[in-house]
Amino acid sequence: AQSVTQLDSQVPVFEEAPVELRCNYSSSVSVYLFWYVQYPNQGLQLLLKYLSGSTLVKGINGFEAEFNKSQTSFHLRKPSVHISDTAEYFCAVRFMNTGFQKLVFGTGTRLLVSP
Amino acid sequence: GAGVSQTPSNKVTEKGKYVELRCDPISGHTALYWYRQSLGQGPEFLIYFQGTGAADDSGLPNDRFFAVRPEGSVSTLKIQRTERGDSAVYLCASSLAGTGPSYEQYFGPGTRLTVT
Repeated sequence: AQSVTQLDSQVPVFEEAPVELRCNYSSSVSVYLFWYVQYPNQGLQLLLKYLSGSTLVKGINGFEAEFNKSQTSFHLRKPSVHISDTAEYFCAVRFMNTGFQKLVFGTGTRLLVSP
Repeated sequence: GAGVSQTPSNKVTEKGKYVELRCDPISGHTALYWYRQSLGQGPEFLIYFQGTGAADDSGLPNDRFFAVRPEGSVSTLKIQRTERGDSAVYLCASSLAGTGPSYEQYFGPGTRLTVT
């Protein structure tokens, strides 16, 4: 079955420290990859996406992610986090076979940034 | 411009009642999606519309759930005989098209449904 795994349910980090949020997927078909952020009581906002080309993609708010096809991973990174980055982060995948229009989401990682 | 809007923002209903949740997509977006987000989980796909027709309804959990988009714009998700397990945030998203590699789904703020 095609699935998306975010192993870390919560990641605490101090302000200005670097952070990595992990995402792995299981599939043998081609994929498009996305990271979304959800602030409290708000909708999902796209941070960045990988469709093709360079495996390192840059998004909004200083975030970046790297696609690793051999490890089926798409980890999200930021070199220096701010208090305002505290939110829930979701990895999502489009599997390019039947039903490819839909996004399959991971369970999310809550990033907690403290002073 | 205006984003995806959803009404109501909160809905509390009793077990066994019927509810309707409304989604107003971004103007010009032909594709519309419904997802359900249970507490502590990521959103789960329910149904996808391309224009007026449901192109993929494989995520609807059972026949109590039904969705329509009669004019290819506003969509309504209908839940009959609600159960406590239906309590969740129901998210709507729209995109310019469902196919093609570069489409982006824009999400609404969601409707929080609580079944008592």
